[in-house]
Amino acid sequence: GESVGLHLPTLSVQEGDNSIINCAYSNSASDYFIWYKQESGKGPQFIIDIRSNMDKRQGQRVTVLLNKTVKHLSLQIAATQPGDSAVYFCAENMPLYSGGGADGLTFGKGTHLIIQP
Amino acid sequence: GAGVSQSPSNKVTEKGKDVELRCDPISGHTALYWYRQSLGQGLEFLIYFQGNSAPDKSGLPSDRFSAERTGGSVSTLTIQRTQQEDSAVYLCASSLGTGYLTDTQYFGPGTRLTVL
Repeated sequence: GESVGLHLPTLSVQEGDNSIINCAYSNSASDYFIWYKQESGKGPQFIIDIRSNMDKRQGQRVTVLLNKTVKHLSLQIAATQPGDSAVYFCAENMPLYSGGGADGLTFGKGTHLIIQP
Repeated sequence: GAGVSQSPSNKVTEKGKDVELRCDPISGHTALYWYRQSLGQGLEFLIYFQGNSAPDKSGLPSDRFSAERTGGSVSTLTIQRTQQEDSAVYLCASSLGTGYLTDTQYFGPGTRLTVL
């Protein structure tokens, strides 16, 4: 089965409200998580990441929370703007080989965030 | 500098034909990745290069898929005898390849492949 998944395929919020996008993962050995934003016709864009030794990390208008006990990851977007409309993917690291080097990523299916005016 | 670029942006081909997709990574990035994204789906990892070597080819869907990278830069993904189920957006990403856990991958815009 899929290692990383999302609870909702679509999330609709009012402009100016806060958005919370959730993600569940199944690989307890994963130690690095990333949120990507993908706008229509474009490749995924890095938003924020978090390592497993952290519970929370904040960026500009975004916060990622990690609950390792229940293997849950969330992305909070403050004061949602029209430009936030996109599909949001969570991803976890997937160690490719023991010799070192960068890791591949396992992606969930994504949540489509829709901003209502 | 410029981001990851991919060409062509769109490719329509007939079933049974071969196609080549190209990826130009960010200058200085030694790691390069190929992913496939089917309609409304997440990204499926295909293959990863560190320099010109691909230590892990387990993600390639079948032996019709192959990839190479030359000069530690440009990579091509080749699909032979294309099938309709190969229709998808093929995304390339690159990273510094530092070996650190937090080596961020930067994605290109993708190539949309349609097999008729």
